[in-house]
Amino acid sequence: NAGVTQTPKFQVLKTGQSMTLQCAQDMNHEYMSWYRQDPGMGLRLIHYSVGAGITDQGEVPNGYNVSRSTTEDFPLRLLSAAPSQTSVYFCASRRRTGPDQPQHFGDGTRLSIL
Amino acid sequence: ILNVEQSPQSLHVQEGDSTNFTCSFPSSNFYALHWYRWETAKSPEALFVMTLNGDEKKKGRISATLNTKEGYSYLYIKGSQPEDSATYLCASEKNRDDKIIFGKGTRLHILP
Repeated sequence: NAGVTQTPKFQVLKTGQSMTLQCAQDMNHEYMSWYRQDPGMGLRLIHYSVGAGITDQGEVPNGYNVSRSTTEDFPLRLLSAAPSQTSVYFCASRRRTGPDQPQHFGDGTRLSIL
Repeated sequence: ILNVEQSPQSLHVQEGDSTNFTCSFPSSNFYALHWYRWETAKSPEALFVMTLNGDEKKKGRISATLNTKEGYSYLYIKGSQPEDSATYLCASEKNRDDKIIFGKGTRLHILP
């Protein structure tokens, strides 16, 4: 069982470039989310989705777009990368069947913007 | 409490000693409280998800309690071992299908 798969694991971009961070899960989880991890800041929520076709903003959504066309995939797009977006990005998923469902995290994508 | 707050930020504990730390969260519109263990260079792993006031959950030497009326949860580690060294994160949910917001974590160092 693959769980939550994030690609790529590492990426270096130049300021102004665009890219998509991929996240896929094979557990049929309805709820998916994207977080960024910065030193001393813990995990901050970027965007989340409760099912295909539904997305909502988190704590730090500016500069990021998401879409959810299938239950399995939840890509995160940087339209014009900025140095402030240098971070480690984590995708997570969970069931929506009740309040006692934990999030399952991917291994993260380390992104550097030069 | 407007955000999820964790204390202390960092903690050094002698191997074999027991320890505990705190997560404070907004007590209004409470839905669930999560605890995760996060080792360096790995991804966070779920320890507990708690929903009921007064609930206590246990996994091996780690346990957690929940007070939803006053908005806090304690995580306890009994007889600390080197493998307990990690960052412990808590996260709060206000409603079903709402945001899951994390605190900044407590970094635990176990001293041999």
